Amino acid sequence: AQSVTQLDSQVPVFEEAPVELRCNYSSSVSVYLFWYVQYPNQGLQLLLKYLSGSTLVKGINGFEAEFNKSQTSFHLRKPSVHISDTAEYFCAVSPKLYNFNKFYFGSGTKLNVKP
Amino acid sequence: NAGVTQTPKFQVLKTGQSMTLQCAQDMNHEYMSWYRQDPGMGLRLIHYSVGAGITDQGEVPNGYNVSRSTTEDFPLRLLSAAPSQTSVYFCASSYSSSGRSWEQFFGPGTRLTVL
Repeated sequence: AQSVTQLDSQVPVFEEAPVELRCNYSSSVSVYLFWYVQYPNQGLQLLLKYLSGSTLVKGINGFEAEFNKSQTSFHLRKPSVHISDTAEYFCAVSPKLYNFNKFYFGSGTKLNVKP
Repeated sequence: NAGVTQTPKFQVLKTGQSMTLQCAQDMNHEYMSWYRQDPGMGLRLIHYSVGAGITDQGEVPNGYNVSRSTTEDFPLRLLSAAPSQTSVYFCASSYSSSGRSWEQFFGPGTRLTVL
């Protein structure tokens, strides 16, 4: 069974400050890891993914995430946020054993960037 | 390309009514999925399809039916609407690369209220 925990439901931050959105997961099998972003009244779009190799992955809009296998975490970071980063962010896992990406999503973290 | 389109954008139903949420994609993607998004719960997979004529259940399939007669279309049917089905519904599609699909493309969503 898989589960994804995003501990912070809301994260307020000032513009140009750094931010970290936390994601922990639990799975009985190896998983691929993803971060998606949802802007208001829109569908989700892929920010970045970890499939294998380097544990630090870079995505769009200056975001990056680090896979930590021992802590089963995949935290998302950005060194300096912009107002336009205000959105909801979802962490997701997909078990490697399937030939189809069955995604299991966390409950989401709303990032509110203030001027 | 229109990408993934969903209709209607908004719908209000009475308990017991049936309806079909439409989803279409013009990217020739093999895989399509339906999710529901509820506050504090992230996205949960309802049904998915790995190709025309092939569908399977996700995490929360009860009360919903799907079929996939063409590559482009993947409608979701609510058989007898219940208030517990009040949610935002997202359709997603993805391509297959070496047997796996890495990125899902989401539609804009349908906001459904069941009274």
